[in-house]
Amino acid sequence: AAGVIQSPRHLIKEKRETATLKCYPIPRHDTVYWYQQGPGQDPQFLISFYEKMQSDKGSIPDRFSAQQFSDYHSELNMSSLELGDSALYFCASSLPTSGGVNEQFFGPGTRLTVL
Amino acid sequence: DAKTTQPNSMESNEEEPVHLPCNHSTISGTDYIHWYRQLPSQGPEYVIHGLTSNVNNRMASLAIAEDRKSSTLILHRATLRDAAVYYCILSVNSGYALNFGKGTSLLVTP
Repeated sequence: AAGVIQSPRHLIKEKRETATLKCYPIPRHDTVYWYQQGPGQDPQFLISFYEKMQSDKGSIPDRFSAQQFSDYHSELNMSSLELGDSALYFCASSLPTSGGVNEQFFGPGTRLTVL
Repeated sequence: DAKTTQPNSMESNEEEPVHLPCNHSTISGTDYIHWYRQLPSQGPEYVIHGLTSNVNNRMASLAIAEDRKSSTLILHRATLRDAAVYYCILSVNSGYALNFGKGTSLLVTP
């Protein structure tokens, strides 16, 4: 079965550089979520999109922005990178929810290292 | 947001049942109880969810207390592949973000 695809899988950047992470949800999934997991920490929700509109916002820094495109893929743009941004970034997708409960399917993550 | 409390770690022998507890005393009537797990070096993975009644699926069972202030994830026969961090999460429904707290790190020994 198709899974969530994230690219790149690994990324190394210098401080103050920018980075773009991409997420391709499972076909027919219209909701995308972004999570950040620092070393030894638990995943933290950043932002989500439903039908190309931002649906929820968590602890996402102002230096980060994201969007969902017409084909439902999403990109997380990170500017002025700091050492503390080094983390695993997970994307998850889910089916349309219509009063029901749908599980989130997570991708393998992008490991960002800021030097 | 309602919070959950889980033990930091638990240990089990292979092929034995495992009961992972979760306390959520401030749960509201519309909060679903979700369980996800994260295997080493992988993204989180859905395990099971419930609202009021006990639930079973191919991976596990979820036992929910009558007052809904606690729940227990039951792995019927632990395998080495079940070694992971297990998260108990509350949400209004799965269309919203998952607020991961401190999960339980399960160690399974042969």
